[in-house]
Amino acid sequence: EAGVAQSPRYKIIEKRQSVAFWCNPISGHATLYWYQQILGQGPKLLIQFQNNGVVDDSQLPKDRFSAERLKGVDSTLKIQPAKLEDSAVYLCASRPNDRYEQYFGPGTRLTVT
Amino acid sequence: AQSVTQLDSHVSVSEGTPVLLRCNYSSSYSPSLFWYVQHPNKGLQLLLKYTSAATLVKGINGFEAEFKKSETSFHLTKPSAHMSDAAEYFCVVILTSGTYKYIFGTGTRLKVLA
Repeated sequence: EAGVAQSPRYKIIEKRQSVAFWCNPISGHATLYWYQQILGQGPKLLIQFQNNGVVDDSQLPKDRFSAERLKGVDSTLKIQPAKLEDSAVYLCASRPNDRYEQYFGPGTRLTVT
Repeated sequence: AQSVTQLDSHVSVSEGTPVLLRCNYSSSYSPSLFWYVQHPNKGLQLLLKYTSAATLVKGINGFEAEFKKSETSFHLTKPSAHMSDAAEYFCVVILTSGTYKYIFGTGTRLKVLA
Protein backbone atom coordinates (compact mmCIF):
# COMPACT_ATOMS: atom_id res chain seq x y z
CA GLU A 1 0.00 0.00 0.00
CA ALA A 2 1.11 3.56 -0.60
CA GLY A 3 2.52 5.37 2.41
CA VAL A 4 1.73 8.77 3.86
CA ALA A 5 2.58 11.48 1.34
CA GLN A 6 3.71 14.97 2.26
CA SER A 7 4.66 18.01 0.24
CA PRO A 8 6.73 20.00 -0.11
CA ARG A 9 9.75 18.16 1.30
CA TYR A 10 11.68 21.35 1.95
CA LYS A 11 10.66 24.97 2.35
CA ILE A 12 12.62 28.11 3.13
CA ILE A 13 10.75 31.30 3.99
CA GLU A 14 11.43 34.57 5.72
CA LYS A 15 9.92 35.40 9.08
CA ARG A 16 6.44 36.88 8.94
CA GLN A 17 5.69 35.06 5.69
CA SER A 18 3.06 32.33 5.49
CA VAL A 19 3.50 28.69 4.51
CA ALA A 20 1.29 25.65 4.01
CA PHE A 21 2.02 21.95 4.17
CA TRP A 22 -0.03 19.18 2.63
CA CYS A 23 -0.56 15.59 3.77
CA ASN A 24 -2.28 12.65 2.13
CA PRO A 25 -2.73 9.78 4.60
CA ILE A 26 -2.88 6.09 3.86
CA SER A 27 -6.20 5.18 2.28
CA GLY A 28 -8.80 4.20 4.85
CA HIS A 29 -6.98 5.67 7.86
CA ALA A 30 -9.49 7.73 9.79
CA THR A 31 -7.03 9.32 12.21
CA LEU A 32 -4.47 11.88 11.09
CA TYR A 33 -1.79 13.62 13.13
CA TRP A 34 0.50 16.61 12.61
CA TYR A 35 3.73 16.76 14.62
CA GLN A 36 6.45 19.35 14.96
CA GLN A 37 9.98 18.00 15.39
CA ILE A 38 12.60 20.54 16.36
CA LEU A 39 16.19 19.51 15.74
CA GLY A 40 17.46 17.22 18.49
CA GLN A 41 14.03 16.61 20.00
CA GLY A 42 11.26 14.06 19.73
CA PRO A 43 8.14 14.88 17.74
CA LYS A 44 5.53 17.01 19.49
CA LEU A 45 1.87 16.54 18.61
CA LEU A 46 0.27 19.65 17.17
CA ILE A 47 -3.16 18.37 16.20
CA GLN A 48 -5.09 15.13 15.81
CA PHE A 49 -8.05 14.59 13.50
CA GLN A 50 -10.60 11.78 13.55
CA ASN A 51 -12.13 11.85 10.08
CA ASN A 52 -12.64 15.59 9.57
CA GLY A 53 -13.14 16.47 13.24
CA VAL A 54 -10.47 17.75 15.64
CA VAL A 55 -9.77 15.40 18.56
CA ASP A 56 -6.83 17.18 20.17
CA ASP A 57 -5.34 20.57 19.33
CA SER A 58 -4.16 21.50 22.80
CA GLN A 59 -0.53 21.99 21.66
CA LEU A 60 -1.34 23.95 18.50
CA PRO A 61 -0.33 27.65 18.70
CA LYS A 62 -3.66 28.84 17.42
CA ASP A 63 -2.60 32.45 17.02
CA ARG A 64 -0.45 31.46 14.05
CA PHE A 65 -1.07 27.81 13.21
CA SER A 66 -4.20 26.38 11.61
CA ALA A 67 -5.06 23.00 10.17
CA GLU A 68 -7.96 21.47 8.35
CA ARG A 69 -8.95 18.10 7.02
CA LEU A 70 -11.69 18.59 4.51
CA LYS A 71 -13.70 15.50 3.57
CA GLY A 72 -11.78 13.46 6.11
CA VAL A 73 -8.88 12.62 3.77
CA ASP A 74 -6.15 15.13 2.89
CA SER A 75 -5.03 17.71 5.39
CA THR A 76 -3.21 21.03 5.29
CA LEU A 77 -1.26 22.74 8.04
CA LYS A 78 -0.68 26.48 7.75
CA ILE A 79 1.58 28.89 9.59
CA GLN A 80 0.86 32.60 9.34
CA PRO A 81 2.97 34.54 10.16
CA ALA A 82 6.03 32.35 10.62
CA LYS A 83 8.60 32.95 13.34
CA LEU A 84 12.23 31.86 13.52
CA GLU A 85 11.35 29.29 16.19
CA ASP A 86 8.99 27.54 13.76
CA SER A 87 12.03 26.10 11.96
CA ALA A 88 11.49 22.35 12.30
CA VAL A 89 10.41 19.22 10.50
CA TYR A 90 6.63 18.87 10.25
CA LEU A 91 5.54 15.27 10.24
CA CYS A 92 2.19 13.88 9.24
CA ALA A 93 1.04 10.47 10.41
CA SER A 94 -2.09 8.37 10.02
CA ARG A 95 -3.53 5.43 11.92
CA PRO A 96 -6.12 2.79 11.12
CA ASN A 97 -9.00 2.36 13.56
CA ASP A 98 -8.06 -1.18 14.54
CA ARG A 99 -4.40 -0.66 15.50
CA TYR A 100 -2.30 1.56 17.73
CA GLU A 101 0.57 2.15 15.36
CA GLN A 102 0.93 5.37 13.43
CA TYR A 103 2.45 5.51 9.96
CA PHE A 104 4.59 8.52 9.29
CA GLY A 105 5.28 10.50 6.16
CA PRO A 106 8.77 11.73 5.21
CA GLY A 107 8.14 15.18 6.68
CA THR A 108 8.55 18.74 5.50
CA ARG A 109 11.67 20.54 6.64
CA LEU A 110 10.87 24.22 7.22
CA THR A 111 13.59 26.82 7.59
CA VAL A 112 12.54 30.31 8.64
CA THR A 113 15.20 32.99 8.08
CA ALA B 1 0.75 10.55 33.92
CA GLN B 2 2.60 8.47 31.37
CA SER B 3 6.12 9.27 30.21
CA VAL B 4 9.24 7.71 28.73
CA THR B 5 12.87 8.44 29.46
CA GLN B 6 15.62 7.52 27.04
CA LEU B 7 18.69 7.31 29.17
CA ASP B 8 21.30 8.06 26.51
CA SER B 9 21.13 10.85 23.97
CA HIS B 10 24.05 9.40 21.98
CA VAL B 11 25.41 5.86 21.70
CA SER B 12 28.46 4.81 19.68
CA VAL B 13 29.27 1.20 18.85
CA SER B 14 31.65 -0.54 16.50
CA GLU B 15 30.25 -2.44 13.55
CA GLY B 16 29.60 -6.05 14.54
CA THR B 17 29.25 -5.34 18.28
CA PRO B 18 26.00 -5.41 20.29
CA VAL B 19 23.65 -2.47 20.50
CA LEU B 20 21.77 -1.45 23.66
CA LEU B 21 19.45 1.57 23.67
CA ARG B 22 17.79 2.15 27.01
CA CYS B 23 14.22 3.25 27.69
CA ASN B 24 12.36 3.53 30.98
CA TYR B 25 8.67 4.29 31.21
CA SER B 26 6.23 5.58 33.75
CA SER B 27 2.62 4.47 33.56
CA SER B 28 -0.25 4.07 35.96
CA TYR B 29 -1.43 0.97 34.10
CA SER B 30 0.00 -1.63 31.75
CA PRO B 31 1.43 0.34 28.86
CA SER B 32 1.79 -0.22 25.16
CA LEU B 33 5.31 0.62 24.03
CA PHE B 34 6.89 1.05 20.63
CA TRP B 35 10.33 1.72 19.21
CA TYR B 36 10.64 3.83 16.07
CA VAL B 37 13.72 4.53 13.95
CA GLN B 38 14.36 7.70 11.96
CA HIS B 39 17.07 7.75 9.33
CA PRO B 40 18.34 11.14 8.14
CA ASN B 41 15.76 13.04 6.11
CA LYS B 42 13.29 10.18 6.43
CA GLY B 43 10.07 9.70 8.34
CA LEU B 44 9.74 7.48 11.39
CA GLN B 45 9.54 3.75 10.82
CA LEU B 46 8.09 1.31 13.34
CA LEU B 47 10.75 -1.13 14.58
CA LEU B 48 8.73 -3.16 17.04
CA LYS B 49 5.83 -2.98 19.45
CA TYR B 50 4.76 -4.35 22.83
CA THR B 51 1.02 -4.52 23.51
CA SER B 52 0.78 -6.83 26.57
CA ALA B 53 1.43 -10.11 24.79
CA ALA B 54 4.90 -11.71 24.82
CA THR B 55 7.41 -9.70 26.85
CA LEU B 56 10.26 -10.35 24.39
CA VAL B 57 9.37 -8.62 21.16
CA LYS B 58 11.18 -9.13 17.88
CA GLY B 59 11.21 -6.42 15.27
CA ILE B 60 12.64 -5.67 11.89
CA ASN B 61 16.34 -5.68 10.96
CA GLY B 62 17.32 -7.97 13.83
CA PHE B 63 16.22 -5.68 16.64
CA GLU B 64 14.38 -6.89 19.72
CA ALA B 65 13.19 -5.44 23.01
CA GLU B 66 12.18 -6.91 26.33
CA PHE B 67 9.39 -5.50 28.46
CA LYS B 68 10.35 -5.71 32.15
CA LYS B 69 7.54 -4.56 34.39
CA SER B 70 9.59 -4.84 37.57
CA GLU B 71 12.21 -2.49 36.15
CA THR B 72 9.75 -0.36 34.13
CA SER B 73 12.07 -0.77 31.17
CA PHE B 74 11.80 -1.51 27.46
CA HIS B 75 15.38 -1.57 26.22
CA LEU B 76 16.18 -2.07 22.54
CA THR B 77 18.93 -4.50 21.58
CA LYS B 78 20.63 -5.96 18.54
CA PRO B 79 23.35 -8.62 18.67
CA SER B 80 25.51 -7.16 15.92
CA ALA B 81 25.43 -3.57 14.67
CA HIS B 82 25.51 -2.76 10.99
CA MET B 83 26.52 0.54 9.43
CA SER B 84 22.96 0.97 8.16
CA ASP B 85 21.69 1.01 11.77
CA ALA B 86 23.07 4.51 12.28
CA ALA B 87 19.97 6.61 12.94
CA GLU B 88 17.84 8.24 15.63
CA TYR B 89 15.75 5.89 17.76
CA PHE B 90 12.63 6.88 19.67
CA CYS B 91 10.89 5.03 22.47
CA VAL B 92 7.15 5.73 22.58
CA VAL B 93 4.43 5.01 25.14
CA ILE B 94 0.87 5.02 23.90
CA LEU B 95 -2.13 6.27 25.81
CA THR B 96 -4.44 3.34 25.13
CA SER B 97 -7.59 5.04 26.24
CA GLY B 98 -9.41 7.58 24.16
CA THR B 99 -7.09 9.27 21.69
CA TYR B 100 -4.22 6.71 21.52
CA LYS B 101 -1.83 9.63 21.84
CA TYR B 102 1.90 8.96 21.49
CA ILE B 103 4.30 10.14 24.17
CA PHE B 104 7.79 10.28 22.62
CA GLY B 105 11.11 9.98 24.35
CA THR B 106 13.78 12.51 23.49
CA GLY B 107 15.58 10.11 21.19
CA THR B 108 18.93 8.29 21.08
CA ARG B 109 21.29 8.90 18.21
CA LEU B 110 23.13 5.71 17.34
CA LYS B 111 26.52 6.00 15.66
CA VAL B 112 28.14 2.91 14.16
CA LEU B 113 31.89 3.01 13.73
CA ALA B 114 33.64 1.06 10.99
